[in-house]
Amino acid sequence: DVVMTQSPLSLPVTLGQAASISCRSSQSLVYSDGNTYLNWFQQRPGQSPRRLIYKVSNRDSGVPERFSGSGSGTDFTLKITRVEAEDVGVYYCMQATHWPLTFGGGTKVEIK
Amino acid sequence: EVQLVESGGDLVQPGGSLRLSCAASGFTFSSYNMNWVRQAPGKGLEWLSYITSSGSTRYYADSVKGRFTISRDNDKNSLCLQMNSLRAEDTAMYYCARGDLWFGELFWGRGTLVTVSS
Repeated sequence: DVVMTQSPLSLPVTLGQAASISCRSSQSLVYSDGNTYLNWFQQRPGQSPRRLIYKVSNRDSGVPERFSGSGSGTDFTLKITRVEAEDVGVYYCMQATHWPLTFGGGTKVEIK
Repeated sequence: EVQLVESGGDLVQPGGSLRLSCAASGFTFSSYNMNWVRQAPGKGLEWLSYITSSGSTRYYADSVKGRFTISRDNDKNSLCLQMNSLRAEDTAMYYCARGDLWFGELFWGRGTLVTVSS
């Protein structure tokens, strides 16, 4: 199975400052169709998960522009340009290139 | 309004069985692939199983393969997860999710809690 490794585990951030989360996969996430199925999910406290980013860098409908995804192959990054209070929660990367689908362990974003 | 309502979560003894359901409404259930994802208390997300819209293709995580079975009834707008040989480590909130986790419109239920303990 593909192992997804996220860092850091915890990310204290000052409101208005930038935040960056890293995700590495144990093998390439480039699929035979040329797409890279790396996704980012947000889970706010007490809520169900919500996908933010699909195929590395595509924002889902309704996701603020301050969220962006980048990367290729096995190394990926989620960036939040200016953290707002509503961004508090746990962020997960997830690969869907290889079955079974696998999530990273999560990064907890909190306000300093 | 799109709704996914999970049910069937309960306290069950190790080695026991449980059947979870996910009732869908507000959309054409038979047009969507579906998933089960779980989250142990204080832990991260774990994808469990996927079934295509027709039910013809199913995938499972290694941790549940051979113990859990995903199924659907498109006439009753219902998704199910039959869980056998339950273990303490299966204790979690179980979510159903509509759509493909990697692309397109995705919708989640609120989850149902399964506790495996003697």
